Amino acid sequence: DAGITQSPRHKVTETGTPVTLRCHQTENHRYMYWYRQDPGHGLRLIHYSYGVKDTDKGEVSDGYSVSRSKTEDFLLTLESATSSQTSVYFCAISDITFSYNEQFFGPGTRLTVL
Amino acid sequence: GENVEQHPSTLSVQEGDSAVIKCTYSDSASNYFPWYKQELGKGPQLIIDIRSNVGEKKDQRIAVTLNKTAKHFSLHITETQPEDSAVYFCAVKGNNAGNMLTFGGGTRLMVKP
Repeated sequence: DAGITQSPRHKVTETGTPVTLRCHQTENHRYMYWYRQDPGHGLRLIHYSYGVKDTDKGEVSDGYSVSRSKTEDFLLTLESATSSQTSVYFCAISDITFSYNEQFFGPGTRLTVL
Repeated sequence: GENVEQHPSTLSVQEGDSAVIKCTYSDSASNYFPWYKQELGKGPQLIIDIRSNVGEKKDQRIAVTLNKTAKHFSLHITETQPEDSAVYFCAVKGNNAGNMLTFGGGTRLMVKP
């Protein structure tokens, strides 16, 4: 998994509660991405980061925020979880080593919002 | 924004047969086209990719072809094996600042022994 870990791997929470997912990488890759995966939709980009404290929105950013205070960690926060945010969340990295083209994915976090 | 369509959504083949998955995209400025394989409970794994200045690329039993004029590209798997059973995703990278990928909806490939 290209040195990428995600935590937690599974989480069940209730509507209205805040949730933070963590992506950790060990190889100082510059770009980090958060995707969600839902049946029939492939993977959709939520937010991405191109450096410490540098982030931008993706296709489905509403209801999500991110932070990157260190190169190795990229956090995804659901301020007030809703049932529509039940999904599998994947983190990915990219870097100049890969010509900024290839993205490599972590193992995923399955989130269930009741 | 970019729109990527992938077909078929499911594909069942007999072991040893070939499998072909097709994707179309909308942005003519797109320049990078990867394919990912995802096994149950795991993250997507990059298996092959092609850049816009190349028409075909092959790696053992898998190949990708690109038709930039028609804006479509395909994954070809020959001599399929049961371990090829997985969900396959195509993706497209346009000329964007974040090096963002847009994914197709996925194809579930089942190889019957």
